[in-house]
Amino acid sequence: KQEVTQIPAALSVPEGENLVLNCSFTDSAIYNLQWFRQDPGKGLTSLLLIQSSQREQTSGRLNASLDKSSGRSTLYIAASQPGDSATYLCAAQQGGSEKLVFGKGTKLTVNP
Amino acid sequence: GAGVSQSPSNKVTEKGKDVELRCDPISGHTALYWYRQSLGQGLEFLIYFQGNSAPDKSGLPSDRFSAERTGGSVSTLTIQRTQQEDSAVYLCASSIGWGSSGNTIYFGEGSWLTVV
Repeated sequence: KQEVTQIPAALSVPEGENLVLNCSFTDSAIYNLQWFRQDPGKGLTSLLLIQSSQREQTSGRLNASLDKSSGRSTLYIAASQPGDSATYLCAAQQGGSEKLVFGKGTKLTVNP
Repeated sequence: GAGVSQSPSNKVTEKGKDVELRCDPISGHTALYWYRQSLGQGLEFLIYFQGNSAPDKSGLPSDRFSAERTGGSVSTLTIQRTQQEDSAVYLCASSIGWGSSGNTIYFGEGSWLTVV
């Protein structure tokens, strides 16, 4: 059974800092690894999707990497801004299934 | 519509009552998903549809939960004889094709269910 863990559960940083969010998964037989953002009281917004054959994906100040062999993914946020404050969720799409298995998220606060 | 639409946005119901939650996916999206997010818990998968068919219902917690999709569009999640542990945010999502093919999944803002 796939299990996804995110560390840390919460993170507070000053504006402008570069930061890394970590995600680990137990079963490497995945189609892809996805990162989402959730603002309070809102749904999820897709940030990046890394296919199992890929090593990383970039969008603006965000860069996500995937290491299937070690069961790890990281989300790198450059030059953080207060508007980046949200909960970041990673999810593994299991091979042979369309369901996503989510971690419990990292709550990020960027202080002005 | 511009995004995935869910209704009601908030629902308070008495224990033992039935509730229906509605999801209107993005037009043209053939794949539709239901997830549940409980306080302090991560998101858990409930069911997904391709067209009107549900290939995977494995996440439905009990036989009190059911879902259907008609016309390849609107989906309804029904919870019968609600219990307090059913209190959660129920999130619907859709994608133009299978997520396993790399298609972006779009989530609605959720239906917040409170059972008292």
